[in-house]
Amino acid sequence: EAGVAQSPRYKIIEKRQSVAFWCNPISGHATLYWYQQILGQGPKLLIQFQNNGVVDDSQLPKDRFSAERLKGVDSTLKIQPAKLEDSAVYLCASSSPRTYTDTQYFGPGTRLTVL
Amino acid sequence: SQELEQSPQSLIVQEGKNLTINCTSSKTLYGLYWYKQKYGEGLIFLMMLQKGGEEKSHEKITAKLDEKKQQSSLHITASQPSHAGIYLCGAARIANNLFFGTGTRLTVIP
Repeated sequence: EAGVAQSPRYKIIEKRQSVAFWCNPISGHATLYWYQQILGQGPKLLIQFQNNGVVDDSQLPKDRFSAERLKGVDSTLKIQPAKLEDSAVYLCASSSPRTYTDTQYFGPGTRLTVL
Repeated sequence: SQELEQSPQSLIVQEGKNLTINCTSSKTLYGLYWYKQKYGEGLIFLMMLQKGGEEKSHEKITAKLDEKKQQSSLHITASQPSHAGIYLCGAARIANNLFFGTGTRLTVIP
């Protein structure tokens, strides 16, 4: 079974530029998550989708971050415009809601550096 | 808001030694996940604990959730260089997203 796929793996941009990350979850997983992990910290949830609906986006900086999952499968996370403090690893995870506390499986992440 | 504190923050052990990492929550845990992360990579699922007093083992790694469900420990027996990495505990929240601790960095010296 293929795991969670993310691209690109690395991205370097200058501040005020825009950037987009892509995630393809494990086949059949209805729930998709985007986390932000700043160096030396644990991952922090940005947004959670159930199929193509948003379950939780309370920690998403909506003035600059947006995410979509139009067909309930793959997802795109965008930052526009980027700030220096957005430098982090962006992790995508997916899970199957067959049980209440179902396990989240993570992709390899996209490392973003904002100069 | 919930807080998850991991201790120690970093750990250096000689190969073959046993070690324990702790994860303490400010609130009752309804699901506690342990993940391992290698530098530059995603998180690898290790174990999930739900019930107070529950203990699970996989190869040389054992995790336990205490009876009051506010603390979990991860124990590695006879550590190997392959165990090196960052260990993260994550608390399941109502919507099943996770709130993570800051991680414990483990170095195993051959």
